[in-house]
Amino acid sequence: EPEVTQTPSHQVTQMGQEVILRCVPISNHLYFYWYRQILGQKVEFLVSFYNNEISEKSEIFDDQFSVERPDGSNFTLKIRSTKLEDSAMYFCASSSGTGTYLNFGPGTRLTVL
Amino acid sequence: AQTVTQSQPEMSVQEAETVTLSCTYDTSESDYYLFWYKQPPSRQMILVIRQEAYKQQNATENRFSVNFQKAAKSFSLKISDSQLGDAAMYFCAPRYSGGGADGLTFGKGTHLIIQP
Repeated sequence: EPEVTQTPSHQVTQMGQEVILRCVPISNHLYFYWYRQILGQKVEFLVSFYNNEISEKSEIFDDQFSVERPDGSNFTLKIRSTKLEDSAMYFCASSSGTGTYLNFGPGTRLTVL
Repeated sequence: AQTVTQSQPEMSVQEAETVTLSCTYDTSESDYYLFWYKQPPSRQMILVIRQEAYKQQNATENRFSVNFQKAAKSFSLKISDSQLGDAAMYFCAPRYSGGGADGLTFGKGTHLIIQP
């Protein structure tokens, strides 16, 4: 069964550094998402992406964040200048339609020191 | 804003027993979908079961079933014959099909403990 993949599984960075989290969604899916989960808290929506543009974003997704689909397979989340509070698990997800479930990747654990 | 309430932060059940996890949500939409996701210690998000709001029949998936009460905006998950592998965080998540690429709105989760 096709899966969403994410790299790296764990990223450690210094505060103020830029990080890029990578995702390969399921190949025939059209809708892509990033979520984050601070340890012990609920899963929070960051952004959705469709037809090469952002469809919706939450208030968490400020100017420090950006997303890109640089080619036909990858979907990336960039955090321009990381803060301590950006430490969390970041999940990529994709779906084939607006009414279907989301397939989640295994997550990237981001630690900002 | 859409809200999702999971009123049980933690539930404990004996192995082989049945447990019900509650979820209520608030929406003005009439067409939507409801999901339960499981998050084991690995933190992978795994789909457990889904329900279309337009269907009156409650969804079932092997030992997992839901009690969907649309008027009450309630969507509880019943796990029968609980197994040790069911221990995880369980998240209720509606998805509203308003035409955009809207994602899921998650509740805070219920931590399910299975006692051997």
